[in-house]
Amino acid sequence: DGGITQSPKYLFRKEGQNVTLSCEQNLNHDAMYWYRQDPGQGLRLIYYSQIVNDFQKGDIAEGYSVSREKKESFPLTVTSAQKNPTAFYLCASSIREGAGTDTQYFGPGTRLTVL
Amino acid sequence: GQQVMQIPQYQHVQEGEDFTTYCNSSTTLSNIQWYKQRPGGHPVFLIQLVKSGEVKKQKRLTFQFGEAKKNSSLHITATQTTDVGTYFCAFSGSARQLTFGSGTQLTVLP
Repeated sequence: DGGITQSPKYLFRKEGQNVTLSCEQNLNHDAMYWYRQDPGQGLRLIYYSQIVNDFQKGDIAEGYSVSREKKESFPLTVTSAQKNPTAFYLCASSIREGAGTDTQYFGPGTRLTVL
Repeated sequence: GQQVMQIPQYQHVQEGEDFTTYCNSSTTLSNIQWYKQRPGGHPVFLIQLVKSGEVKKQKRLTFQFGEAKKNSSLHITATQTTDVGTYFCAFSGSARQLTFGSGTQLTVLP
């Protein structure tokens, strides 16, 4: 089965600890993305990567870091510098499909709670 | 940067009633996409509109892109309980990232 996997589904951490969220895709997509969603809110872009070994900051990158060493993997680290890390984190990947636009495919998400 | 405003934020309808959500931009958009997120789930792509005045249908769902490419709407005819969820519009910029609207949360009362 092709798709995007995120693990774990639920994650609890103590304040001040760094935590890394996993995102893997076997869709052979070039581009990958991380979003944050707060209750009742839309999706805000944290980081995105259009190609291996390259990534760009999104709208709310402060307190987060990423790496893209493999096409299939785009892990997100939530550092202790992130002021309000408790949120639902969504990973997505995309492929360009005609007219120069991308359709994004989302993973199931990780709910991070910082205690 | 470019943004889209989505209204209403919440909508409660009786099953069988129609529902419409609107997405508005102050600038011309190159495209618009619509996604649905079920409660507790993740966004799922519904459709993409690219052409001015474009109208597309998926069963009871009708999607429109305005003539000026500054607004879009999603209309659901005769809602069902399976339509419950949050509907997002989004547009892609030059660097392939998507900018999402804030979403419309639809509740369908049986």
